[in-house]
Amino acid sequence: GESVGLHLPTLSVQEGDNSIINCAYSNSASDYFIWYKQESGKGPQFIIDIRSNMDKRQGQRVTVLLNKTVKHLSLQIAATQPGDSAVYFCAVPRQGANNLFFGTGTRLTVIP
Amino acid sequence: EAGVAQSPRYKIIEKRQSVAFWCNPISGHATLYWYQQILGQGPKLLIQFQNNGVVDDSQLPKDRFSAERLKGVDSTLKIQPAKLEDSAVYLCASSRAQYQSYYGYTFGSGTRLTVV
Repeated sequence: GESVGLHLPTLSVQEGDNSIINCAYSNSASDYFIWYKQESGKGPQFIIDIRSNMDKRQGQRVTVLLNKTVKHLSLQIAATQPGDSAVYFCAVPRQGANNLFFGTGTRLTVIP
Repeated sequence: EAGVAQSPRYKIIEKRQSVAFWCNPISGHATLYWYQQILGQGPKLLIQFQNNGVVDDSQLPKDRFSAERLKGVDSTLKIQPAKLEDSAVYLCASSRAQYQSYYGYTFGSGTRLTVV
């Protein structure tokens, strides 16, 4: 089955610094990866996705890097702001299914 | 467009009681999901509907959990009888696509269930 984990359960960064959240996955056949942000009391919100034929994708202040060799992806947030404080999940399609498997999540705390 | 609506927002029940949650997906979204999120964990799929049919309930504890989406629009998830370990946030999500519907999930805010 799938396994998607994050290297650190919590991450604290100073406002204005860059944040890097890491995620390891187990299924080398995974071809699509998504990052979600979940603020307190809300459902997960889509941030950015990447397909396995890419190794980098950029959005607004966010970049996702994919290293298929070591089955690792990361989410980089530039100039982290207090509004970025949340739990971040990586997710992959469940093997043989038409739905998503979510990792455990990393709690990002931005220190003003 | 309006988001995914869920109610109630919070529910506290005693163990062995029953409880029901309601979800109204985004208009026109064919696929609807129920996820269970235990505190400190990622969401875990309980059941997936495509229109009014079940396409994946492999992780649904069927001895106590049931769900329906009778007219292919809104859905109800029921737990009967509840156990302490059912304390969690129950998230509903919807997606417009039917094939590879994991593109474009939109989640509701969830129902926080506490079983005492």
